[in-house]
Amino acid sequence: QQQVKQSPQSLIVQKGGIPIINCAYENTAFDYFPWYQQFPGKGPALLIAIRPDVSEKKEGRFTISFNKSAKQFSLHIMDSQPGDSATYFCAASKGGADGLTFGKGTHLIIQP
Amino acid sequence: SQTIHQWPATLVQPVGSPLSLECTVEGTSNPNLYWYRQAAGRGLQLLFYSVGIGQISSEVPQNLSASRPQDRQFILSSKKLLLSDSGFYLCAWTHRYGRAFAQETQYFGPGTRLLVL
Repeated sequence: QQQVKQSPQSLIVQKGGIPIINCAYENTAFDYFPWYQQFPGKGPALLIAIRPDVSEKKEGRFTISFNKSAKQFSLHIMDSQPGDSATYFCAASKGGADGLTFGKGTHLIIQP
Repeated sequence: SQTIHQWPATLVQPVGSPLSLECTVEGTSNPNLYWYRQAAGRGLQLLFYSVGIGQISSEVPQNLSASRPQDRQFILSSKKLLLSDSGFYLCAWTHRYGRAFAQETQYFGPGTRLLVL
């Protein structure tokens, strides 16, 4: 059973556009929702994270929107650049030591 | 600052051979440690985690085992590799104490790409 569903699987956007990646979760015990960025052959790096007590969080060009009632959250990348081309993973945690549950990832290509 | 190391970076092994992947963390103490496997198009699958020396929790029963002989060292092993063990293996750590965000933020190593032939 996949507890975090991520879409789309792949996405192509023109430079300057705003790619949006969506995730939905089922477990209401989740209370921490990070996004990771991964370049080919590298480990994932934390991009931005949110807790369900806020509906939006912005860090630079990256914004998380969170809808607690719908159990959905999304990543928006403003003014996207070719250097943003990477695989993006959403994840969720219910605290404790047992780690994160990841979505399957979105392969994003920003065309110049 | 904290740093996480993994080696080797790449490994090609025949089916049935043993495996040992190592992960070490510098610049922190008492971390929680994690092993993930990443297969193409399937995201990251948590294999093992550890909250302390000698303490290992397994998330997915399979051909692999993990050990934590020292506070900042985490080892992934297999006695006999299968073709299905091929993948990108990632080690990660979190703070065990401190503010909640710090405890939950996972930092990943550079990964080991394993190809079993």
